[in-house]
Amino acid sequence: GESVGLHLPTLSVQEGDNSIINCAYSNSASDYFIWYKQESGKGPQFIIDIRSNMDKRQGQRVTVLLNKTVKHLSLQIAATQPGDSAVYFCAETRYNFNKFYFGSGTKLNVKP
Amino acid sequence: KAGVTQTPRYLIKTRGQQVTLSCSPISGHRSVSWYQQTPGQGLQFLFEYFSETQRNKGNFPGRFSGRQFSNSRSEMNVSTLELGDSALYLCASSLPIAAGTDTQYFGPGTRLTVL
Repeated sequence: GESVGLHLPTLSVQEGDNSIINCAYSNSASDYFIWYKQESGKGPQFIIDIRSNMDKRQGQRVTVLLNKTVKHLSLQIAATQPGDSAVYFCAETRYNFNKFYFGSGTKLNVKP
Repeated sequence: KAGVTQTPRYLIKTRGQQVTLSCSPISGHRSVSWYQQTPGQGLQFLFEYFSETQRNKGNFPGRFSGRQFSNSRSEMNVSTLELGDSALYLCASSLPIAAGTDTQYFGPGTRLTVL
């Protein structure tokens, strides 16, 4: 099946710094992407999404960038806080398909 | 608005038994998807139900099945449990808009342990 992977399985950052989490996807037909945050003992929590007709989308302290040419997705978190410590997943799907493929996840450690 | 709820939260079964997990989607959501999460395989799609019909299916054996009721609540069943079925089972709901893709919101999951 489709493969969605991450470059860095673990990322450690200092509180207040910006974080960048990367994701590579393999299905060029994918046109909808979501970033999720999962804290220990909880289900994934929606952070931000982006459709393939966009290159960038911003939320509160988060920005998602999509590079369709190299099939790369990134999540930028500004002024990272201890509460941002979690595992982050990217997920991809093809519009009208509603079947998501998830990356293996990146663990973000925020040092106070 | 209440989120996605899943019951039970924890379950311990023995090999060969069967289990039924329940998911109540966000009010108004009509699509329910199920995922299996394990440390080794990550999050894997099981199936999706929309308007009581299975619309999408992942690559899992027939021991894994599901259904959806008219109120959009969904259940998944695993028969003849194997040790490898130990996992966190997550349910996600979405509207969706017409028949298209929409954001999926996850429940807390059911932790299944097979002994």
